[in-house]
Amino acid sequence: ETGVTQSPTHLIKTRGQQVTLRCSSQSGHNTVSWYQQALGQGPQFIFQYYREEENGRGNFPPRFSGLQFPNYSSELNVNALELDDSALYLCASSLGGAGGANVLTFGAGSRLTVL
Amino acid sequence: AQKITQTQPGMFVQEKEAVTLDCTYDTSDPSYGLFWYKQPSSGEMIFLIYQGSYDQQNATEGRYSLNFQKARKSANLVISASQLGDSAMYFCAMREAGGYQKVTFGTGTKLQVIP
Repeated sequence: ETGVTQSPTHLIKTRGQQVTLRCSSQSGHNTVSWYQQALGQGPQFIFQYYREEENGRGNFPPRFSGLQFPNYSSELNVNALELDDSALYLCASSLGGAGGANVLTFGAGSRLTVL
Repeated sequence: AQKITQTQPGMFVQEKEAVTLDCTYDTSDPSYGLFWYKQPSSGEMIFLIYQGSYDQQNATEGRYSLNFQKARKSANLVISASQLGDSAMYFCAMREAGGYQKVTFGTGTKLQVIP
């Protein structure tokens, strides 16, 4: 059973640029969620994808967007990068479309630095 | 809105001793789940333990146990027989049962195990 893999692990961008982060979910998981973790903070929920549709979103502007593919992998896209977007971006996969004890399985994250 | 509070930014514990990490939560939903995750310096969030709001007994997983006091809305993590490898950030998190699987995290506690 493969876990959650994210790419790239590190990247540096400048203000105004666009970035795409990728995530492969754990085998058998059909739900992917993305979190932003600023330095010294807990992860903040960005959005979640279930069966290729966004079904939940946190307090993030529309320049944060995503996709989920038929194989349940996912992308996070951020347009018009700002300095405050510098953070660790965590992808998590899970099984099912409802709550309960479904555990989020996280990847190691993509560390984005915006200069 | 759900909220998680971790009031201990940092904790020290002697190797082989037990330590308690505090977590309080706030929710109006009668059905919810509580999680603890460990985040080493590598960045990956590692699931430790889960407690459902209707579970009658406190959850245990090896050296980890969750001291669940529903009336006080607290869900403290107890680590017994601390090991050097336990040094990490620890996050308490909550998911409400309705709708999608948004998980809200606290700000974390940095645990350092002293030899």
